[in-house]
Amino acid sequence: GDSVTQMEGPVTLSEEAFLTINCTYTATGYPSLFWYVQYPGEGLQLLLKATKADDKGSNKGFEATYRKETTSFHLEKGSVQVSDSAVYFCALRGRGSSNTGKLIFGQGTTLQVKP
Amino acid sequence: GAVVSQHPSWVICKSGTSVKIECRSLDFQATTMFWYRQFPKQSLMLMATSNEGSKATYEQGVEKDKFLINHASLTLSTLTVTSAHPEDSSFYICSAPRAGGSSYEQYFGPGTRLTVT
Repeated sequence: GDSVTQMEGPVTLSEEAFLTINCTYTATGYPSLFWYVQYPGEGLQLLLKATKADDKGSNKGFEATYRKETTSFHLEKGSVQVSDSAVYFCALRGRGSSNTGKLIFGQGTTLQVKP
Repeated sequence: GAVVSQHPSWVICKSGTSVKIECRSLDFQATTMFWYRQFPKQSLMLMATSNEGSKATYEQGVEKDKFLINHASLTLSTLTVTSAHPEDSSFYICSAPRAGGSSYEQYFGPGTRLTVT
């Protein structure tokens, strides 16, 4: 079945450092890919998404490119801030699913940014 | 602001009792809602898909008689944990898809922390 694998955390960075959180997936066909963020005490929020190969999703300085050849969707940010400290989830929605279909999540990566 | 709410945000119950968790979509209708379970430092595990006006669809390994789901209206789905045991203690999260332009986006509730003593 479909699955998502993320790099294990926690990831601890200093402010203004470069961030990469790796995400790879296994799925039949071409799924839609997502990054969600969960701030302490809050629900998951969509950070960015890509629906087809070579698409780049971007938001709030974060970027991720849908790489079909490597089945990856790595999250990057050039300069992290303390306020970026949160748990980040990579997720996919199978191509066979409708737009309202269920999401498959990776295990989450905790990011801690120190001043 | 929040578009999906959950109630209660946390609950403590005794072993053997039942607990009901509500999930509401706030200014949109949702014919489908999803219920997830999240263990500490782990991913969200999809438990079931709640369908308005019909039976819920449960994921493999999830006991439908233990986790009762009712989607009573287009804005409300409830999850009842029956005869709760300590191993049911977890963080339960719901989500609902909301139309935005030409696509849908899943909106998540803030979650309900269940502790069974």
